[in-house]
Amino acid sequence: DTAVSQTPKYLVTQMGNDKSIKCEQNLGHDTMYWYKQDSKKFLKIMFSYNNKELIINETVPNRFSPKSPDKAHLNLHINSLELGDSAVYFCASSQSWEGFSGNTIYFGEGSWLTVV
Amino acid sequence: AQSVSQHNHHVILSEAASLELGCNYSYGGTVNLFWYVQYPGQHLQLLLKYFSGDPLVKGIKGFEAEFIKSKFSFNLRKPSVQWSDTAEYFCAVKHGSGNTGKLIFGQGTTLQVKP
Repeated sequence: DTAVSQTPKYLVTQMGNDKSIKCEQNLGHDTMYWYKQDSKKFLKIMFSYNNKELIINETVPNRFSPKSPDKAHLNLHINSLELGDSAVYFCASSQSWEGFSGNTIYFGEGSWLTVV
Repeated sequence: AQSVSQHNHHVILSEAASLELGCNYSYGGTVNLFWYVQYPGQHLQLLLKYFSGDPLVKGIKGFEAEFIKSKFSFNLRKPSVQWSDTAEYFCAVKHGSGNTGKLIFGQGTTLQVKP
């Protein structure tokens, strides 16, 4: 069973559209994340939720809105897609977020978004 | 701002050659250190991690890394690479002060192993 699963894996869409990427983890973790990997393969955190509450929001445009219906799910909705949104989006989870717990972060397989 | 630097952006080796990938970080306090690998078209997988204790850490697939606190480094090594090690390698750091669980990644190193 995949620990952190995200759908869709590939998404090609036109500029201006609204799209969502879903993520689910079956590890029983409290904390979930969205990371963005750009065309130069640089990975950067976007959001983090702990038990459905937002704890990290890294200066991401308002067009990006995460939603966590429960602690096992963290979906990413993107409005008015732009060319620059083309990237690989990775969902991840860890046991907790607290301070400096030494938790390992486990990643999903990534969602390749191409905006044309 | 805290940062993570990987000095080798693209490394090409022949099979059986030895590998060392550099990683330095800028944060001066207590840190957790990680190396992740991303095989072509796949997700990030944890290779190894350092939390505390022995600074020489052994990971999966014959990889190891050494934490040298005085040099703020966590270099990844493998004595003899295989073609299947061709992948993207990411060093990542999580630090203690005010930490909210986020990892700060280096820019990645592309390793290409020629058969």
